[in-house]
Amino acid sequence: DGGITQSPKYLFRKEGQNVTLSCEQNLNHDAMYWYRQDPGQGLRLIYYSQIVNDFQKGDIAEGYSVSREKKESFPLTVTSAQKNPTAFYLCASSTTSRCYFGAGTRLSVL
Amino acid sequence: AQSVAQPEDQVNVAEGNPLTVKCTYSVSGNPYLFWYVQYPNRGLQFLLKYITGDNLVKGSYGFEAEFNKSQTSFHLKKPSALVSDSALYFCAVRDWNSGNTPLVFGKGTRLSVIA
Repeated sequence: DGGITQSPKYLFRKEGQNVTLSCEQNLNHDAMYWYRQDPGQGLRLIYYSQIVNDFQKGDIAEGYSVSREKKESFPLTVTSAQKNPTAFYLCASSTTSRCYFGAGTRLSVL
Repeated sequence: AQSVAQPEDQVNVAEGNPLTVKCTYSVSGNPYLFWYVQYPNRGLQFLLKYITGDNLVKGSYGFEAEFNKSQTSFHLKKPSALVSDSALYFCAVRDWNSGNTPLVFGKGTRLSVIA
């Protein structure tokens, strides 16, 4: 998990609320990613960014938004449009030959 | 399009016995292949990777994997399993020519090592 910090570790969302998950890396990587993990479904890609001020939708982007204003930071906002947000969220950064993961944020709905 | 298949949701093995976790992949070009391990409520930890060269790759904690191009497989192996190896294992692939595009992951295989 070294080099990538995700916070908070646990997060609770109320109905209709937007919440933001933080991801910071000190590895000087250009590329960063957000994955969602549900039991039995592996990792599904939400958004990714290959360079500052640019990002692309992944397979399950609906109900999520991101920004990439700094190389070190790639926050993920779970909007009220995401009707089933309960999951484990993993942030990663990579070189072409290896991907590094944060420790994850577990999001639950109150 | 790239894809990874892990055909077994669960693998059970007795402590001290050899273990194998299977992975097959599909890419249009040459593959970068990876194995990661996940313990409960943790992120993914890197085990090993294949980029080029020797088909047998050695990684962390005594794990190794064999790249087989003709069978498009990259099975994870360990000669003697430990109870502490019990975890969720993910295989992942990226096409050489795709730059820093996201890794594509399999659905994971849960390994249970029984004492």
